[in-house]
Amino acid sequence: AQTVTQSQPEMSVQEAETVTLSCTYDTSESDYYLFWYKQPPSRQMILVIRQEAYKQQNATENRFSVNFQKAAKSFSLKISDSQLGDAAMYFCAYRRNNAGGTSYGKLTFGQGTILTVHP
Amino acid sequence: KAGVTQTPRYLIKTRGQQVTLSCSPISGHRSVSWYQQTPGQGLQFLFEYFSETQRNKGNFPGRFSGRQFSNSRSEMNVSTLELGDSALYLCASSTSRVESEQYFGPGTRLTVT
Repeated sequence: AQTVTQSQPEMSVQEAETVTLSCTYDTSESDYYLFWYKQPPSRQMILVIRQEAYKQQNATENRFSVNFQKAAKSFSLKISDSQLGDAAMYFCAYRRNNAGGTSYGKLTFGQGTILTVHP
Repeated sequence: KAGVTQTPRYLIKTRGQQVTLSCSPISGHRSVSWYQQTPGQGLQFLFEYFSETQRNKGNFPGRFSGRQFSNSRSEMNVSTLELGDSALYLCASSTSRVESEQYFGPGTRLTVT
């Protein structure tokens, strides 16, 4: 079974600074996606960034980037120029892909990291 | 395009009762997944429906069940409610394409007293 581990229950960062959230996962599959989701106090889950296992290039979305180390099964999220609106719970998630280019909808989540941004 | 909607948003039930939660996916999405979120267990996968068929199921007791209708709307049912069923229940929809992301609804907050 796949597992996702986030070892940092809480992190804090000063506004405009950079913070990195850690995530490791365990799988025997070779074809999968990894995701970072943000859950603000409203509880609405929002996709921040995703990475396909076959792509060696690390994904980037504006101020958000990942460091994907497939051999080490590590998938960290870097938030640059942190803003007050980045404060939220962040979840790392794994999704296996099927042969034939489809995927099951099942996401396996880590325990989450609460990010606090100080003004 | 309208997002994923879940009804009701809040619900209070008594132990032993049953409850039905509803999820309407984004138009054109045929996959609907359900998750339970609690402070102790985190986010756990309940089940996934695609084209009215359950194609994946998490490790939950048989009291938890679901279904999907021909218009892709989905319901989940919990019978004989227990205090531990108090949770935020999240629904997510997607296409079945491998690059498709899952779009989450706002959740239903269930409190069992």
